[in-house]
Amino acid sequence: AQSVAQPEDQVNVAEGNPLTVKCTYSVSGNPYLFWYVQYPNRGLQFLLKYITGDNLVKGSYGFEAEFNKSQTSFHLKKPSALVSDSALYFCAVRDFTGGGNKLTFGTGTQLKVEL
Amino acid sequence: DVKVTQSSRYLVKRTGEKVFLECVQDMDHENMFWYRQDPGLGLRLIYFSYDVKMKEKGDIPEGYSVSREKKERFSLILESASTNQTSMYLCASSSPGGSNTGELFFGEGSRLTVL
Repeated sequence: AQSVAQPEDQVNVAEGNPLTVKCTYSVSGNPYLFWYVQYPNRGLQFLLKYITGDNLVKGSYGFEAEFNKSQTSFHLKKPSALVSDSALYFCAVRDFTGGGNKLTFGTGTQLKVEL
Repeated sequence: DVKVTQSSRYLVKRTGEKVFLECVQDMDHENMFWYRQDPGLGLRLIYFSYDVKMKEKGDIPEGYSVSREKKERFSLILESASTNQTSMYLCASSSPGGSNTGELFFGEGSRLTVL
């Protein structure tokens, strides 16, 4: 089965510093990987995806993610964090089983950016 | 913009009541999904549907059923609500896997409390 793991429940970073939110995956075949963000009491918003090609993927709001096949990782990064980036971040992988177009999500990482 | 609308943002129900959660999307998407979100558990797939009148069980279907009578509408039904079904419920939609990479579009969520 396809799965992703987010090893950190919470990440704290000072505004202006770089941030990293970690994600590792376990799939059979080539992975389709996604990052979503959730602000309080809202649904999930798509940030970026990796399907194929360049290992560095750029997305919304200045976020990027680096696909590393040898480490089976897909970490989310931003060079300079903003207080408004504080939110819950989910990594996800596409699940092809059962003819699927489903996404399997990680447990989420709460990002807190402080002044 | 894709819009996925969930009819109720907040509901409070009593144990044993029948609960309907409605979801409508306006992008003519074939695929629709119901997830529940719980702290520390991330998002877990309850049911999904690839077409009208079709449904497939997700990872945690027990205690739930769904209905898809029209392409744009996907309803989640709790036949007899229990306190362990207190959760945030998220509806999502996507176009077929063959024509996209699996990105999901989410509604704002329905927070259900069962007393």
